[in-house]
Amino acid sequence: SAVISQKPSRDICQRGTSLTIQCQVDSQVTMMFWYRQQPGQSLTLIATANQGSEATYESGFVIDKFPISRPNLTFSTLTVSNMSPEDSSIYLCSVGEFQGGYNEQFFGPGTRLTVL
Amino acid sequence: AQSVAQPEDQVNVAEGNPLTVKCTYSVSGNPYLFWYVQYPNRGLQFLLKYITGDNLVKGSYGFEAEFNKSQTSFHLKKPSALVSDSALYFCAVRDRGGASSNTGKLIFGQGTTLQVKP
Repeated sequence: SAVISQKPSRDICQRGTSLTIQCQVDSQVTMMFWYRQQPGQSLTLIATANQGSEATYESGFVIDKFPISRPNLTFSTLTVSNMSPEDSSIYLCSVGEFQGGYNEQFFGPGTRLTVL
Repeated sequence: AQSVAQPEDQVNVAEGNPLTVKCTYSVSGNPYLFWYVQYPNRGLQFLLKYITGDNLVKGSYGFEAEFNKSQTSFHLKKPSALVSDSALYFCAVRDRGGASSNTGKLIFGQGTTLQVKP
């Protein structure tokens, strides 16, 4: 399975600022995903980031708030813009690997964000 | 709409006893089903999956899960719980779709905290 790293692992930010989270994979992958896990909640998909195309956002998430870059097949960034305390969450990067006829997903360690 | 339900917020078992963490799903067609585990301050770790074939699937750390199509369930089980199994468990489903709709999107349940006491 792919080895996924995220930077930073955690951060404390002030309201109104922006934070860019990096996701690095040790192999080339077609599909990358960004999830949010709010405190005590389940995971919610923010967007799908495929190389060479615009990210596809889920309902309730917009590009202005969560711009995503996918410059190559091993790297992606998620920016949380104009942060508010409601953005305090764990943000997880995930990749899809084609195995046995379908894409299996593996997750990075997550970035724990606290907004004051 | 596709959905996954984990009816128990928390499951408590004594070490050495069998454990079950419940999951039911609602999707169109035949689903791909997954279990993930999240230890404190860690990312999600893949435990096991059901794609097709034998309804009883075996995964990491001695866990297994039984796919029951008639009950639309995919309960996670382990014959003998360990204190180190204490963690947050997520059931997830992905609709197979067709080749043109292979989005890879996972829908997660609410999560169940497993507490194994010595």
